[in-house]
Amino acid sequence: DIVMTQSPDSLAVSLGERATINCKSSRSVLYRSNNKNYLAWYQQKPGQPPKLLISWASTRESGVPDRFSGSGSETDFTLTISSLQAEDVAVYFCQQYYSTPPLTFGGGTKVEIK
Amino acid sequence: EVQLVESGGGLVQPGGSLRLSCAASGFTFSSYWMTWVRQAPGKGLEWVANIKQDGSENYYVNSVKGRFTISRDNAKNSLYLQMNSLRAEDTAVYYCATGNPSGVWGKGTTVTVSS
Repeated sequence: DIVMTQSPDSLAVSLGERATINCKSSRSVLYRSNNKNYLAWYQQKPGQPPKLLISWASTRESGVPDRFSGSGSETDFTLTISSLQAEDVAVYFCQQYYSTPPLTFGGGTKVEIK
Repeated sequence: EVQLVESGGGLVQPGGSLRLSCAASGFTFSSYWMTWVRQAPGKGLEWVANIKQDGSENYYVNSVKGRFTISRDNAKNSLYLQMNSLRAEDTAVYYCATGNPSGVWGKGTTVTVSS
């Protein structure tokens, strides 16, 4: 199984400042035949289901604000919120969908306002 | 409106069974792999199982193999999860979701396994 490790477990960022979340996979999730990284990011607010923010490591879903960006390749990935807004308080999860079963999630990173 | 609505959760004793359902609307259900994901209280997300569009392939996390069965009825736009031999560690909110990665999620149904 591919193990996904997120860091930090939590972070507190001032409004308008940058938040950076890291995700590391135990094996590469880059499929070389199509040069795509099978890595997604989700946002989960309290009491709500997860929401898909980014797929293929860096492709924002429709309607996701452009302050959210994803980067990285193979085993190391980053989700960046360029200017934190109050509505961004949530837990963020990465997920690999390269190797199934199982599809595996990171442990989550809780983002709060400082 | 694209929607997934889960039902069938509840309180069950260890060793018991439950059948979860997920009703889909607003999209072509038969075109999507479907997935069950669970979240134990205060914990992260755990992928449980998924099933191919025509039901010909399905996969499970090791901890539920032999106990849970995923199925679908494309004529009824519905996804199911039959859960047998339930354990305390199966206590969680169970979400159904589309595809890999999962772009549409239901609100979840709560399963509590306790005596």
